[in-house]
Amino acid sequence: EPEVTQTPSHQVTQMGQEVILRCVPISNHLYFYWYRQILGQKVEFLVSFYNNEISEKSEIFDDQFSVERPDGSNFTLKIRSTKLEDSAMYFCASSYLGEGYEQYFGPGTRLTVT
Amino acid sequence: AQTVTQSQPEMSVQEAETVTLSCTYDTSESDYYLFWYKQPPSRQMILVIRQEAYKQQNATENRFSVNFQKAAKSFSLKISDSQLGDAAMYFCAPKGGSEKLVFGKGTKLTVNP
Repeated sequence: EPEVTQTPSHQVTQMGQEVILRCVPISNHLYFYWYRQILGQKVEFLVSFYNNEISEKSEIFDDQFSVERPDGSNFTLKIRSTKLEDSAMYFCASSYLGEGYEQYFGPGTRLTVT
Repeated sequence: AQTVTQSQPEMSVQEAETVTLSCTYDTSESDYYLFWYKQPPSRQMILVIRQEAYKQQNATENRFSVNFQKAAKSFSLKISDSQLGDAAMYFCAPKGGSEKLVFGKGTKLTVNP
């Protein structure tokens, strides 16, 4: 069964450093998402991406964040200058179409900023 | 903006018994969708069940079913014949008018053998 994959599973970085989180969505899906979950809290939407551009973003997704689909399979989230409060689990998700189609989540990348 | 309330931070159930997790939401959208996701200790988000708001029939997926009350904006999840592998955090998530899922704070379900 197709699944969303994410690498790395755990990333440790120092405050102020840039990190890139990588995702491979399900191959025939057209919509891609990033969510994050700070430990013990609910899952929060960051950004959605369709047709090679951001379709929606949250207030969390400020200028420090960017997304890219560099080729036909990868979808990346870059944080330019990490802060302690960026420590969280980051989930990539994809769906075939928007609207009511199910979003399938990857296993997540645990980001620890020290 | 959509809001989601899961009023039960924790629930427990005996193996093989039935448990119902509650969820209420608020939305101004007339056309929307509702999802339940499960998050086991591995922290992966796993889709459990999906409901279209325009459908009166409650969705069912094997041992999982929902009780969708559109007028009351209620979307509860019933797990029948609970199994040890059902132990997880369960999140209710409506979606409508935008691309994002809006998650509740979750209910931690414990299954006792």
